[in-house]
Amino acid sequence: DGGITQSPKYLFRKEGQNVTLSCEQNLNHDAMYWYRQDPGQGLRLIYYSQIVNDFQKGDIAEGYSVSREKKESFPLTVTSAQKNPTAFYLCASSIAGTALEQYFGPGTRLTVT
Amino acid sequence: AQSVTQLDSQVPVFEEAPVELRCNYSSSVSVYLFWYVQYPNQGLQLLLKYLSGSTLVKGINGFEAEFNKSQTSFHLRKPSVHISDTAEYFCAVSDTGAGKSTFGDGTTLTVKP
Repeated sequence: DGGITQSPKYLFRKEGQNVTLSCEQNLNHDAMYWYRQDPGQGLRLIYYSQIVNDFQKGDIAEGYSVSREKKESFPLTVTSAQKNPTAFYLCASSIAGTALEQYFGPGTRLTVT
Repeated sequence: AQSVTQLDSQVPVFEEAPVELRCNYSSSVSVYLFWYVQYPNQGLQLLLKYLSGSTLVKGINGFEAEFNKSQTSFHLRKPSVHISDTAEYFCAVSDTGAGKSTFGDGTTLTVKP
């Protein structure tokens, strides 16, 4: 089945630790995105990548980092510099360059205490 | 820059009643418009999209939306809702060149028996 997988579904970390969220897709899409979702605030774009080895900051990139070494994978690292990391994180992909419909993964809920 | 405003944060409605979820956007360029649905603790899935052509767009699960360029609106409608339509609905806009989307804050639709 084609789609996007995110793992794990739930993630718990202590404050001060970096944590990496996985996102893999087998849709052969060039573009991939990371969003953060908080209650009542919709989706906010963290980073996006339209091609391998290239990515751009979104609206709330501070405290996050990404890499895009393979077309299929776009991991997100939440660093200790992110002041309020507890949130629901969603990965998505689309056909490159057009921002047409996006296909979303099931999300990872990160809790930092 | 583009923005999306979903005019109602919560919409309660009785089963089999009609519903309209309102979305206004602003953009200085041509846009693509989308409605997504999110069930609890899941990713988003596409309900429908407007790219060009007919301003009345039909989607999955009996939903439809009308693109109104003069009013910069893209309201979502369903003539008769079911309990299973209870979810959060997001309106999104992409401009034709940016390669990314902007999402509204979401509307929680609650269908009551």
